[in-house]
Order: sequence, then structure tokens, then C-alpha cells
Amino acid sequence: TQLLEQSPQFLSIQEGENLTVYCNSSSVFSSLQWYRQEPGEGPVLLVTVVTGGEVKKLKRLTFQFGDARKDSSLHITAAQPGDTGLYLCAGYNTDKLIFGTGTRLQVFP
Amino acid sequence: SAVISQKPSRDICQRGTSLTIQCQVDSQVTMMFWYRQQPGQSLTLIATANQGSEATYESGFVIDKFPISRPNLTFSTLTVSNMSPEDSSIYLCSVVTGTLFYGYTFGSGTRLTVV
Repeated sequence: TQLLEQSPQFLSIQEGENLTVYCNSSSVFSSLQWYRQEPGEGPVLLVTVVTGGEVKKLKRLTFQFGDARKDSSLHITAAQPGDTGLYLCAGYNTDKLIFGTGTRLQVFP
Repeated sequence: SAVISQKPSRDICQRGTSLTIQCQVDSQVTMMFWYRQQPGQSLTLIATANQGSEATYESGFVIDKFPISRPNLTFSTLTVSNMSPEDSSIYLCSVVTGTLFYGYTFGSGTRLTVV
């Protein structure tokens, strides 16, 4: 069974703070995606990383794929209340997308 | 990306009954996926629905409990049978259009409460 563990599970911070979310697995994935989910909606894709060691930036969000393609991180700079939501990493192998355990982020004004 | 319409958006059901959830996509797709999201948790893949063949179920999920239909390339249904309170969850359908690089597209989900 492929498992993706995310840490931390919960994160409550003030606006303007920085944070990092980690996604770890013992399995190798051909690609890894990060999604954000808001209440009452399905997850929405933020980024896909494919190459080991790859770094991608999306405005204040920086995503990194581990060299061995088993882990990933999401760093948010100067968090804003609009960043509040459930962040999910998801690894793809053999026609399946397996989701991580999730990190619930709350950013207070 | 595709647009997915999922119905119903929510329902409250009595234990022992069944509920059928519909998923309509605005374009033809080869594979459709059904996920379950238990309260406050992440998504777990229930099954992959392919048109013209039986669905492929993940470990812990069986066809008798979660029968799936896939009559064409734009539509699928998931039935939650003989429901118990433990089935209270959000059920989401999902598709991938184009390459996986652009991610999976999800419906808004069906919030099911079993009483």
C-alpha cells in the first residue's frame, strides 16, 4: 500500500508568517501533485512536479520534489487569509492518484 | 479542463437504504474515479470506472457495497448500498483530461449523512 504522510496535520498562523508543509512516502512516484481544497468544493490542482529535485514557484508558493521522488514540500511565504484551506499532496503511479493525509491551514488576519 | 456536475450535492438518508450519486462530465473521458472523503480527512480512492468494462475497486471496497455504472464516456453513477452511519462522508467523482500534468478535475462532491 502506498502511503503519503503529510506534516503538520494542522497549522494556525498569523497573516505574514511563512510556513512549510511536508509530504513523505516510502514509495517512488512518477509525479506528484499538490491540491488545495476549500469547504464544499473538490480539490483544485496547484502544481505538478515530475523530475527529482524539481522546484516550482507559483507566486508566494514554492514546491519541491525530492531527489528520490519519494517526498515533496510546499513552502508559503507571507501567508494570507486567502491561503486558508486543506492542502493535499497526491502521488501518481500506475493509473492511480493517491492522496496524502492532508494539512489543514488556517491563516488569521 | 473538464466541468463536472455531481448530484445530489447533499443528502440525509436512513440506515439500511441506498443512495445513487450521479456524475456528468462535459466532455468524453476514458477513466472516471470515485473517491471518499471522511469527515476532516483526506481522499481515499474507491474505484476506477472504465466505459464498457467493470469498475476496478481498491482494497477495502467491494462491488456489492459500492456498485458503479459507466454507461458512456460522459456519465457514471456510484451507489452506496445498505448504508450505515459509518458511510457518512463526502463522495467525489473525478476525471483526468488531456495529460495527467494538468491534474485531476473534481466534482463538488456529495455530502452524505446517514442517520
